[in-house]
Amino acid sequence: NAGVMQNPRHLVRRRGQEARLRCSPMKGHSHVYWYRQLPEEGLKFMVYLQKENIIDESGMPKERFSAEFPKEGPSILRIQQVVRGDSAAYFCASSPSGGGANGYTFGSGTRLTVV
Amino acid sequence: AQSVAQPEDQVNVAEGNPLTVKCTYSVSGNPYLFWYVQYPNRGLQFLLKYITGDNLVKGSYGFEAEFNKSQTSFHLKKPSALVSDSALYFCAVFSGNTGKLIFGQGTTLQVKP
Repeated sequence: NAGVMQNPRHLVRRRGQEARLRCSPMKGHSHVYWYRQLPEEGLKFMVYLQKENIIDESGMPKERFSAEFPKEGPSILRIQQVVRGDSAAYFCASSPSGGGANGYTFGSGTRLTVV
Repeated sequence: AQSVAQPEDQVNVAEGNPLTVKCTYSVSGNPYLFWYVQYPNRGLQFLLKYITGDNLVKGSYGFEAEFNKSQTSFHLKKPSALVSDSALYFCAVFSGNTGKLIFGQGTTLQVKP
């Protein structure tokens, strides 16, 4: 049973380009969470999704960032017109239910570098 | 508002000595508390959790944590540190009010031989 799969592991984008980060949750998990880890900072919640629904996007920047979790396929975190400040590690996690008792299983992350 | 605080950016211990990594939380209702570890350039790995029951929770790699409701703390401990324990440790709390895990800022543990 593969864990949470994120790709790519490393992504380099020039300022103004788009970044697409993919996350396939663990088999049987229908809840997906995206977190961002900036250098020297902790993990900041971005968005919580279930299949075809955004449950909580309170941590998403208002502009340029969007997320989806379609009926088929991985969850996608999309960053348009990237800027240097978007450089960070982006982690996806999944859980089998929305309740917290199971905790989350994390992927290895995508490290985005904006040059 | 729900929050988690890890008051120490870094903890240094000698190999073989006991270690403690501190965590305090603020949440309404009953908290679910977690510790995760992150090795360089890796994702987070689950160490242990407190949901209910015994206040002393045992987890992976010989780690344990004690839930203290009156002090709203959930400190991570290990009786004898190993050099391989050196990593970044995150405390997290889940509250039904927020529906998500909230993380502390992390504590870097350095174990020296």
